[in-house]
Amino acid sequence: QKEVEQDPGPLSVPEGAIVSLNCTYSNSAFQYFMWYRQYSRKGPELLMYTYSSGNKEDGRFTAQVDKSSKYISLFIRDSQPSDSATYLCASHTGGFKTIFGAGTRLFVKA
Amino acid sequence: DTEVTQTPKHLVMGMTNKKSLKCEQHMGHRAMYWYKQKAKKPPELMFVYSYEKLSINESVPSRFSPECPNSSLLNLHLHALQPEDSALYLCASSTRTSGVNEQFFGPGTRLTVL
Repeated sequence: QKEVEQDPGPLSVPEGAIVSLNCTYSNSAFQYFMWYRQYSRKGPELLMYTYSSGNKEDGRFTAQVDKSSKYISLFIRDSQPSDSATYLCASHTGGFKTIFGAGTRLFVKA
Repeated sequence: DTEVTQTPKHLVMGMTNKKSLKCEQHMGHRAMYWYKQKAKKPPELMFVYSYEKLSINESVPSRFSPECPNSSLLNLHLHALQPEDSALYLCASSTRTSGVNEQFFGPGTRLTVL
């Protein structure tokens, strides 16, 4: 079993839609939960992170972690074509080794 | 400067060649990483350097040899690679080992082994 599981998609939505991206994880020791965004031919960049359980909002983006169900979510409101990218969830226990999900490819159609 | 640079962007090599990948950052980060990423797969950690010392080696075959000459530079020396080593090689750096440990990634070197 992979430590972080993520549906690779692709996910295609019209512009303005609300997007929901999800991951599950198996390691109860994970404390930090991140979402990285990777555009084509670029390296990943950190979009948002959450420490332990709860919600975090940043503009159109909301990250949620439910440690009881080991579920990680990212919501994108009013999605834009510029949001088209691969979104990778990631976790770690507090240290060097970050475990990434497989990434979900998102396409937002104008 | 919040950029991690990697050279070359693309590399094609034969199984008997020796080549090197280079990574550079000037953010003062003291942790640097090499990842391997295959198409539609997540980045897989290969090596971590902390304060120029090798901290993690994820059981990577010896045909990959990392080197950290100074706090800004990270190299990956390649020798006798196999076609299955073809992948995107990503370098990253981070400023801290505790907390969120945000990693800043370079654009990667796309390696093809013939």
